[in-house]
Amino acid sequence: AQKVTQAQTEISVVEKEDVTLDCVYETRDTTYYLFWYKQPPSGELVFLIRRNSFDEQNEISGRYSWNFQKSTSSFNFTITASQVVDSAVYFCALRSSNYKLTFGKGTLLTVNP
Amino acid sequence: GAVVSQHPSRVICKSGTSVKIECRSLDFQATTMFWYRQFPKQSLMLMATSNEGSKATYEQGVEKDKFLINHASLTLSTLTVTSAHPEDSSFYICSAAGLAGPSSYNEQFFGPGTRLTVL
Repeated sequence: AQKVTQAQTEISVVEKEDVTLDCVYETRDTTYYLFWYKQPPSGELVFLIRRNSFDEQNEISGRYSWNFQKSTSSFNFTITASQVVDSAVYFCALRSSNYKLTFGKGTLLTVNP
Repeated sequence: GAVVSQHPSRVICKSGTSVKIECRSLDFQATTMFWYRQFPKQSLMLMATSNEGSKATYEQGVEKDKFLINHASLTLSTLTVTSAHPEDSSFYICSAAGLAGPSSYNEQFFGPGTRLTVL
């Protein structure tokens, strides 16, 4: 069975602070994909990143960075110098051999001015 | 990138009526479409997977007679909530995955969602 755990239900930071959202996953598959999505109040899911299980290189995209640690089954997401527009619910998701996505429960990030 | 649309974006209906939600892939052929339901402040839960031209596969606990899914073409899937009740009020999101163009099996492209309110 697949499982994605986002232990942080809500995080509140002040603008310009760095914030890390945690994601831990479980799967028996050796080939799988990990995703992060942003869901602003409008509800539409915004794709942020996809990482396959064979690529453990960390990735940076502007203020966003991702740390994939296969040894600890974690795929954490860091926002540097957070902004009010980053306020949203962030979902980590896992897709393996059956092509279905398993979502974590999401982390509500509130960035205060 | 691949674009998926949903219609309507918001619907309010009376209890007992049926509601149809459309999901369209606008610039690619979607061989597989997925339907999710999201209750307030909760995660997305997969309801069913539909492949073009075949019957949908429903997740455990999802009533297939209540949530009718049709995937008649490579660009359109519909979800019909039959005899809707207030407990069916939710945010319904579709996603699409395909073979060609900008999409691949590695990624699902999500529609903007449909907010259903049953009075």
